[in-house]
Formats: sequence, structure tokens, C-alpha cells
Amino acid sequence: GEDVEQSLFLSVREGDSSVINCTYTDSSSTYLYWYKQEPGAGLQLLTYIFSNMDMKQDQRLTVLLNKKDKHLSLRIADTQTGDSAIYFCAEYTYSSASKIIFGSGTRLSIRP
Amino acid sequence: EPEVTQTPSHQVTQMGQEVILRCVPISNHLYFYWYRQILGQKVEFLVSFYNNEISEKSEIFDDQFSVERPDGSNFTLKIRSTKLEDSAMYFCASGEGPGELFFGEGSRLTVL
Repeated sequence: GEDVEQSLFLSVREGDSSVINCTYTDSSSTYLYWYKQEPGAGLQLLTYIFSNMDMKQDQRLTVLLNKKDKHLSLRIADTQTGDSAIYFCAEYTYSSASKIIFGSGTRLSIRP
Repeated sequence: EPEVTQTPSHQVTQMGQEVILRCVPISNHLYFYWYRQILGQKVEFLVSFYNNEISEKSEIFDDQFSVERPDGSNFTLKIRSTKLEDSAMYFCASGEGPGELFFGEGSRLTVL
């Protein structure tokens, strides 16, 4: 079956890099996503990566995909207070037909 | 920038009452979804809709739930007889294809 796992919490110092990790089980995953949710708000698509890619960079965000280990990570460089949010990893697979499966979310908090 | 809009932002209802949550997807999108998030928990898939019919639904989406696209622009989720455990944030999403979803800000449903 499909499952997406993330650690629940991450605390980093302002200015440091944050690395949020995710593992998934379905090897037929085609798209893997990172969504951001600020308190009381909706889900903002941050970035996504196709399963035939190893890495994608977009400004301060770097996504790394290790397909062999079914491991996805999101690195946020120079973390700012505005990055405080819950970050959801998600996957879309052909086996899940027409839906995206979300992880439980990682709450990122920033220390001064 | 086009966005998915949802109304109401918050609805309070009595147990057993019917509720309709409304969504206006992005105009050229063909795939529509409802997800829900119980406070502090995972984002859960409810239903996907394509070509004017349900393409997939989860176990949560029982006979009390229905979806409709009444006029080619709105996409509604109806809960016929609300239960306390239906209290959650309900997110609508749409996409040009099945892999890239844009979410609305959500409708918070509180059942008393």
C-alpha cells in the first residue's frame, strides 16, 4: 500500500539550513511534492520533482530524491522566521490512480 | 495569479444538519479533489472528480458525502447529516493534470 512518513518536528537556528526528510513506500511514485502550510492557512505547493530526477533546485529550496531508498528531502537554505510552518511530503503514483497521498507533516520551528 | 477559492471559510453547524461546502477551481483545470484535515492530523483524501464523475473515493467518503459540479465552475461537497467527527478543515484542490494540485485556503467545519 501507499504510505508516506515524516518526522513530526524540526527546530533550527535562524540562518542555518533546514533539512526535512520523508520516506515513501510506493516505488511507482511518479511525482513527489513538498507543500507548506502556515497556521490556519491552506496548502501551498512549494515544489515537486519527477521520479526520473535526482535533484531540483529553486532559489533557497533544494529537493533531493533517492529512488533506491525511497527517500525525499527538502533543504531550505538560510532559514528565516517566515519559513516556520508545517511541511508536507506527498506522492502521486499510478497505483493510487487519481490522488495524492500526504505524509503527516513536519513542523519546522525557527530559533533566534 | 489564478487560485482556488472556497466558501465559507468557517461554518458552524448542529449535528445532523446538512452542510454544503463550495469551491471554485482554477478555470482551465480538469481534475478536482476534496481533502480534509482533522485538527492536528494528516491531510486525508476524500474524493477525486474528473469528466463530470467521481474517479476515486476513500473509505471516509461514505453515503453521507456527495460531490457535484452543478454549473461548470463550482465544485461542491455536501455532507447530508453531519456528525461530530466531521469537524475538520476541508480543502478543495484542482489541477490541469492529475499530478499537480493547487489547493484552496480551506473551509473549517465545526459540528456541535
